[in-house]
Amino acid sequence: NAGVTQTPKFQVLKTGQSMTLQCAQDMNHNSMYWYRQDPGMGLRLIYYSASEGTTDKGEVPNGYNVSRLNKREFSLRLESAAPSQTSVYFCASSVRGTNTEAFFGQGTRLTVV
Amino acid sequence: AQSVTQLGSHVSVSEGALVLLRCNYSSSVPPYLFWYVQYPNQGLQLLLKYTTGATLVKGINGFEAEFKKSETSFHLTKPSAHMSDAAEYFCAVSERGTYKYIFGTGTRLKVLA
Repeated sequence: NAGVTQTPKFQVLKTGQSMTLQCAQDMNHNSMYWYRQDPGMGLRLIYYSASEGTTDKGEVPNGYNVSRLNKREFSLRLESAAPSQTSVYFCASSVRGTNTEAFFGQGTRLTVV
Repeated sequence: AQSVTQLGSHVSVSEGALVLLRCNYSSSVPPYLFWYVQYPNQGLQLLLKYTTGATLVKGINGFEAEFKKSETSFHLTKPSAHMSDAAEYFCAVSERGTYKYIFGTGTRLKVLA
């Protein structure tokens, strides 16, 4: 039972490069999320998708775009990476909304040089 | 707007001592509340949650938390710390009917032999 799978696990980018972080869940969850984790700042919500076909901005959306490709997959794209986007990125999913817990992937450690 | 405050970014306890990690929230209505644990280089794992019903919630690994509406608190406790409890702990809150989990900045627990 894989749960939430993120790829890649590690990535180094040069400033200005683009990349897409992939996330897939196999739990038939409706809602999916992207967070970034930085030291001393906890987890901050970048974008979320309440259900297939919808996406909304979170707390720190600037510099990112998302696509809810289907019910299983939710990708995060950095169009022009900046050093400030160096972080650990987590994808999460929940059954529907927040009256149940979110399940997290193992994270992607991204370094922008 | 919802927010979560975790007092103490670092907490040290001796093995066998009481663990108390503090979490206060601000929300206009009683929220859903969660505690997560993160071991090094891993994703977040749910410890326990409060959604409705009994205000004293028991979780995995001997942890429990009590929802106190009058104090807007949801502190995490464990009677006797074990070395394996060393990790970072996150409190999270969400408002009913929303799709956003808001996380605190985390508390890193160190257990001393």
